[in-house]
Amino acid sequence: AQSVTQLDSHVSVSEGTPVLLRCNYSSSYSPSLFWYVQHPNKGLQLLLKYTSAATLVKGINGFEAEFKKSETSFHLTKPSAHMSDAAEYFCVVSDPGGGYNKLIFGAGTRLAVHP
Amino acid sequence: EAGVAQSPRYKIIEKRQSVAFWCNPISGHATLYWYQQILGQGPKLLIQFQNNGVVDDSQLPKDRFSAERLKGVDSTLKIQPAKLEDSAVYLCASSQDYGYTFGSGTRLTVV
Repeated sequence: AQSVTQLDSHVSVSEGTPVLLRCNYSSSYSPSLFWYVQHPNKGLQLLLKYTSAATLVKGINGFEAEFKKSETSFHLTKPSAHMSDAAEYFCVVSDPGGGYNKLIFGAGTRLAVHP
Repeated sequence: EAGVAQSPRYKIIEKRQSVAFWCNPISGHATLYWYQQILGQGPKLLIQFQNNGVVDDSQLPKDRFSAERLKGVDSTLKIQPAKLEDSAVYLCASSQDYGYTFGSGTRLTVV
């Protein structure tokens, strides 16, 4: 079965400094991987997705993630944090088990951005 | 295109009562999912439909939860009777290929 592990439950950065949210995955297949963001009392928003094309994936709001098969990682980065980036971030793997894709979520990383 | 519609947005019930949530997916999306998101956790899949058939309900507590998707379009998730630990946000999503869209969810509080 597919799974993802988000290595940090909380990350705190200062505004203008880089962001790194770490995610490792476990997959028997060539995985499809996603990052979603959830702002307080808001719905889930797709940041970016990897589906076996380029290993460096660019998303919205300046975020990007690099798929590293040798490390089974899909870390999310942003060069410079903004106050509006404060939210919960979920690393997600698509599980095609049984012939039907479904999304398996990590536990989430809460990002705090300080002035 | 219109998004995934869910109602109600909020619901407060007493334990042992019943409750139902409704979801209308994006038009043409064959696959529909119900997820449960407990506070501080990632969403957990409860049930997955392909058209009007269930393809995965392995994590659905079937003694109290039920779901249906008549005619392969909108869906209803029911809890009867509710327990305190059912307090969560219930998210509906639909997909076509690798395009997943989530609704805003229904926040359930069981007191």
